[in-house]
Amino acid sequence: AQSVTQLDSQVPVFEEAPVELRCNYSSSVSVYLFWYVQYPNQGLQLLLKYLSGSTLVKGINGFEAEFNKSQTSFHLRKPSVHISDTAEYFCAVSGTGGFKTIFGAGTRLFVKA
Amino acid sequence: NAGVTQTPKFQVLKTGQSMTLQCAQDMNHNSMYWYRQDPGMGLRLIYYSASEGTTDKGEVPNGYNVSRLNKREFSLRLESAAPSQTSVYFCASSEAGGPYNEQFFGPGTRLTVL
Repeated sequence: AQSVTQLDSQVPVFEEAPVELRCNYSSSVSVYLFWYVQYPNQGLQLLLKYLSGSTLVKGINGFEAEFNKSQTSFHLRKPSVHISDTAEYFCAVSGTGGFKTIFGAGTRLFVKA
Repeated sequence: NAGVTQTPKFQVLKTGQSMTLQCAQDMNHNSMYWYRQDPGMGLRLIYYSASEGTTDKGEVPNGYNVSRLNKREFSLRLESAAPSQTSVYFCASSEAGGPYNEQFFGPGTRLTVL
């Protein structure tokens, strides 16, 4: 079975500061990892994904994430956030041998001026 | 390309009423999904359809039924709505059902059951 834990439910940060949103997973099989973003009153859209290869994955809007197999983590980072990054961010995991993607509970990022 | 569309956007029901949520995608995707989103719980899979003609239960199927009408459309039906079904419902689609495929989401339907 797979599970995803997002360690922070809310992260307030000032504009132009760096941010890290934490995600840990558990799985007994090889995993594929995703970060999705949900802006207010919208559906989710993909930020980035890790399928294989380089453990540092770059996505849209200046976000990146690092897959750490030994720590079973996939933390999302951005060196300098903007007001427009205010949104909810979901970490998700899927794996071989199964069909379903499991989503974390979400982290609400508030960027303050 | 409209992507994934959902109707209605908002709905208020009384306990015991029924309704159908509609979803359509224009990306020629094979797989479609229905999720519900509740505060602090992320997205939970209700039903999915790996391909046209097939449907399977997800994590929280009780109280719901689905129909994969054709490749484009996947509807979710609440036969007898309960207050516990108050939620935001998202439809999604992916090119195929493999675990490495990105899912594309609709804008959601906000449902309140009184």
